Amino acid sequence: GAGVSQSPRYKVAKRGQDVALRCDPISGHVSLFWYQQALGQGPEFLTYFQNEAQLDKSGLPSDRFFAERPEGSVSTLKIQRTQQEDSAVYLCASSLAKTANYGYTFGSGTRLTVV
Amino acid sequence: GQNIDQPTEMTATEGAIVQINCTYQTSGFNGLFWYQQHAGEAPTFLSYNVLDGLEEKGRFSSFLSRSKGYSYLLLKELQMKDSASYLCAVSNTDKLIFGTGTRLQVFP
Repeated sequence: GAGVSQSPRYKVAKRGQDVALRCDPISGHVSLFWYQQALGQGPEFLTYFQNEAQLDKSGLPSDRFFAERPEGSVSTLKIQRTQQEDSAVYLCASSLAKTANYGYTFGSGTRLTVV
Repeated sequence: GQNIDQPTEMTATEGAIVQINCTYQTSGFNGLFWYQQHAGEAPTFLSYNVLDGLEEKGRFSSFLSRSKGYSYLLLKELQMKDSASYLCAVSNTDKLIFGTGTRLQVFP
């Protein structure tokens, strides 16, 4: 597609529920990134894929967070047993390059609200 | 550690010039980016600096001093649509590290 597509756009989850957030990057983009953005803050790095390989997951806040990109294209970020502090916008970005030196194209994000 | 600082909020008047500063201390450096983010929308790319000096692109310019760990984004001839958050980000080889963003409000 023309841009990075994320779904759903909005998600309300009850505390303790599992959620799955989808990211469809720009076709052919090698690198895919997930960021978490709390209200009024900048995006915080979660994890990074180069094709299907997850090269860096140092930003995942706990073992309740899991990301995958099995075929090197679409990626899913899964959050198990959601808690209120997980409420944030989850941004996905992709890049043609193998490094971040050329910047990213971001999707519009999924706004997760845990109640 | 990684530290990127920028002011939380700024205000300016339509038609004026505003400068948004960013200082950084990071373990690696492969360039500095500025992104614009309107409320509820995706960040969009504005500029990239990897060498010292000024990069000009229309109404927007960005400056970098690597020795001082300092950058600024200069917005000229401000328009109401420039009201947004401006994110400073440092490329650390495999990922971008973002500051908290500067929320700019432009008043008529």
